Amino acid sequence: NAGVTQTPKFRVLKTGQSMTLLCAQDMNHEYMYWYRQDPGMGLRLIHYSVGEGTTAKGEVPDGYNVSRLKKQNFLLGLESAAPSQTSVYFCASSSHRVGDYEQYFGPGTRLTVT
Amino acid sequence: AQSVSQHNHHVILSEAASLELGCNYSYGGTVNLFWYVQYPGQHLQLLLKYFSGDPLVKGIKGFEAEFIKSKFSFNLRKPSVQWSDTAEYFCAVNDGPGGNKLVFGAGTILRVKS
Repeated sequence: NAGVTQTPKFRVLKTGQSMTLLCAQDMNHEYMYWYRQDPGMGLRLIHYSVGEGTTAKGEVPDGYNVSRLKKQNFLLGLESAAPSQTSVYFCASSSHRVGDYEQYFGPGTRLTVT
Repeated sequence: AQSVSQHNHHVILSEAASLELGCNYSYGGTVNLFWYVQYPGQHLQLLLKYFSGDPLVKGIKGFEAEFIKSKFSFNLRKPSVQWSDTAEYFCAVNDGPGGNKLVFGAGTILRVKS
């Protein structure tokens, strides 16, 4: 099992450009999440999904969109990148079983917006 | 909403010293608690978790944590650290009863001097 994978690993964008980050998991998890990690701020939830075809906003959703067309994939889109979106982005997934809230993380995508 | 506080942002220890990292959360009631570790350049990995039962939880690599409900705390301990424990450590708690979202603390960067 590959677990949770993310593509790309690194990306540099100019302000105003768009891009999509792809997350894939092979654990048949219902729940998937996108976080951003910034120094001294821990991980902050951007958007999440509780199942195929569903998405919901997290703590810092502005400037991002997501889609969950297939259970195993969760896409994060930046329509018009801004320097404030320079960060490391992590995807995670977890089971839907009640009480089993452990999240499994991908390797991250380092995004720089100039 | 749930919040998590990690008291120390940077900790520097010599090898063989004992470690205790503080973590407090704000919401009372049924909680699920986690400690994740992020080694330099890597993704988050689970160190240990508490769901119910014995409040003293043992994890990987000799780490343990104690859940003290009356103090809303879940401190991480290790009796003797090694250079390889150099990493950033994150405490997390689920966001409300039955909640599948996790709220993370800001992280503690541990540097172990050899």
